[in-house]
Amino acid sequence: DQQVKQNSPSLSVQEGRISILNCDYTNSMFDYFLWYKKYPAEGPTFLISISSIKDKNEDGRFTVFLNKSAKHLSLHIVPSQPGDSAVYFCAISYSGAGSYQLTFGKGTKLSVIP
Amino acid sequence: GAGVSQSPSNKVTEKGKDVELRCDPISGHTALYWYRQSLGQGLEFLIYFQGNSAPDKSGLPSDRFSAERTGGSVSTLTIQRTQQEDSAVYLCASSLVRRGGYTFGSGTRLTVV
Repeated sequence: DQQVKQNSPSLSVQEGRISILNCDYTNSMFDYFLWYKKYPAEGPTFLISISSIKDKNEDGRFTVFLNKSAKHLSLHIVPSQPGDSAVYFCAISYSGAGSYQLTFGKGTKLSVIP
Repeated sequence: GAGVSQSPSNKVTEKGKDVELRCDPISGHTALYWYRQSLGQGLEFLIYFQGNSAPDKSGLPSDRFSAERTGGSVSTLTIQRTQQEDSAVYLCASSLVRRGGYTFGSGTRLTVV
């Protein structure tokens, strides 16, 4: 039973356009949300996060949106660059778990076409 | 060190053998996590260490898996009597605060043949 779902395994976007990566979760107790980026043969790299008290967080070209009522999280990258090509994982935690372990989605592979 | 260091980077072992995977977290990071990523899957939580507290072992898939963290720093993940389904990339991460972005190592790719 997947608690965190990234329904698109892959996404292709033209350079300069917007990339939108989506993530859905099932547990309304989740209260902290993160996005990680992963290149082949490397560990995931933290990108951006948002807590449940907010609905938007922006950092440069990256913006994360949180819709708690829909249990939906999205990452917008604009403008997309070829170096953004990677696998993107959403990760979610629940403070009540005590250990702040993250539950990850299966990832979406983004390809930015020059 | 500057980042989270894991060794070995690759390990091929025969079914039934024991393996040890090592993680050197970022100096001063009190929280340390082990995850694994099987082919085509997301990252699966295994175990969490925080300071001197009892570790959260809720993600360990069987009693063949164990982990320890010595002196609040280096951690070793041990898999006994390895099985083919143990083949995965094992990732270690550390963080300074309980909540926030982890810093991951590059992982150990374990192949059980």
